[in-house]
Amino acid sequence: ETGVTQSPTHLIKTRGQQVTLRCSSQSGHNTVSWYQQALGQGPQFIFQYYREEENGRGNFPPRFSGLQFPNYSSELNVNALELDDSALYLCASSLDRGRGETQYFGPGTRLLVL
Amino acid sequence: GDSVTQMEGPVTLSEEAFLTINCTYTATGYPSLFWYVQYPGEGLQLLLKATKADDKGSNKGFEATYRKETTSFHLEKGSVQVSDSAVYFCALKTSRDDKIIFGKGTRLHILP
Repeated sequence: ETGVTQSPTHLIKTRGQQVTLRCSSQSGHNTVSWYQQALGQGPQFIFQYYREEENGRGNFPPRFSGLQFPNYSSELNVNALELDDSALYLCASSLDRGRGETQYFGPGTRLLVL
Repeated sequence: GDSVTQMEGPVTLSEEAFLTINCTYTATGYPSLFWYVQYPGEGLQLLLKATKADDKGSNKGFEATYRKETTSFHLEKGSVQVSDSAVYFCALKTSRDDKIIFGKGTRLHILP
């Protein structure tokens, strides 16, 4: 059974550009959550997808958007990149929604915006 | 709003020392509580969890007990190893929504 995978591992963009990050959830998991982890900080929740629908959103502007596909893999899109978007972006999958469900994290994509 | 507060690091200990990393939380309702660990250059790994009051989570020699009366979930290990050097995050998930709220993390250095 493969775990959560993310691509690419590293990415460098310039301010104003757009970026797409990808996540493959663990086998059998229908829920994917995205987090942003700035250097030296704890991860911050961006949004969650459950069975291809957005199921909750954190305090991030609309230029952060996402998708979940029928195979439950997911994309995070960020438009009009700003310098402060430089961070580690983590994807986590879980078997289902719910308070007791464990979220399993991927290795992350490190984004640098110049 | 809901939040997690954990002791600031870095924490530096000698091998075989006793470890405590304090964590307290603020949440409405009955959250689930977690400790995640992040090794250098890697993503987060679940270390242990507890879903109700007085539950004890344990894994790899680490333990934490869900204390509702003190709203705490302190992480302990009796004898640390150099390989335990990492950043440790205390976190909660409420019944209201599915997002995990993390503390700022505590960096742990174990000296041989």
